[in-house]
Amino acid sequence: KAGVTQTPRYLIKTRGQQVTLSCSPISGHRSVSWYQQTPGQGLQFLFEYFSETQRNKGNFPGRFSGRQFSNSRSEMNVSTLELGDSALYLCASSLAQRYGYTFGSGTRLTVV
Amino acid sequence: GQQLNQSPQSMFIQEGEDVSMNCTSSSIFNTWLWYKQDPGEGPVLLIALYKAGELTSNGRLTAQFGITRKDSFLNISASIPSDVGIYFCAGLNNNDMRFGAGTRLTVKP
Repeated sequence: KAGVTQTPRYLIKTRGQQVTLSCSPISGHRSVSWYQQTPGQGLQFLFEYFSETQRNKGNFPGRFSGRQFSNSRSEMNVSTLELGDSALYLCASSLAQRYGYTFGSGTRLTVV
Repeated sequence: GQQLNQSPQSMFIQEGEDVSMNCTSSSIFNTWLWYKQDPGEGPVLLIALYKAGELTSNGRLTAQFGITRKDSFLNISASIPSDVGIYFCAGLNNNDMRFGAGTRLTVKP
């Protein structure tokens, strides 16, 4: 079965712009989480959605937002991009907590 | 927030050697997970641990959920070149997953 699909794989944006990243979870997985990965900060939790509701949120500014659709697909939006937002953004989906999370390959965002 | 301390940060070993890495936390977790990440890819789940004291193996990998629920260990036996990568521990509570900083493993043939 298909894994977690993230689009696009690579993105270059200019400071001040906004960006939307997409994640299609594994079929049947209703929980979707987003993470930011940078060399300096490692993997940091952004937020988690289940059945279109945000259940958990990490410690990121309000410029980072997300949503989940009825088909469990999720989008993440970052407004007013800053250079420090350059990172690999990873999406992960899960059937249930006890099975762990399956990650996509990520979207590499570069802000110039 | 919950912090996970993972050590060592990096390891350089010879093919065939065994490897040990661990993760500690100031907070209790209900689930401990170990992931491996290759360059340019997302982390891949290696082992999941669900209760204190649990010892679980996946081929040459063995992981343990600490009795205090604040730590976990991963051992790799008889390392091979394809074991190269970054290994992350993760603690999970109520669908909120926190990661360690990772252990970068290099295996010399």
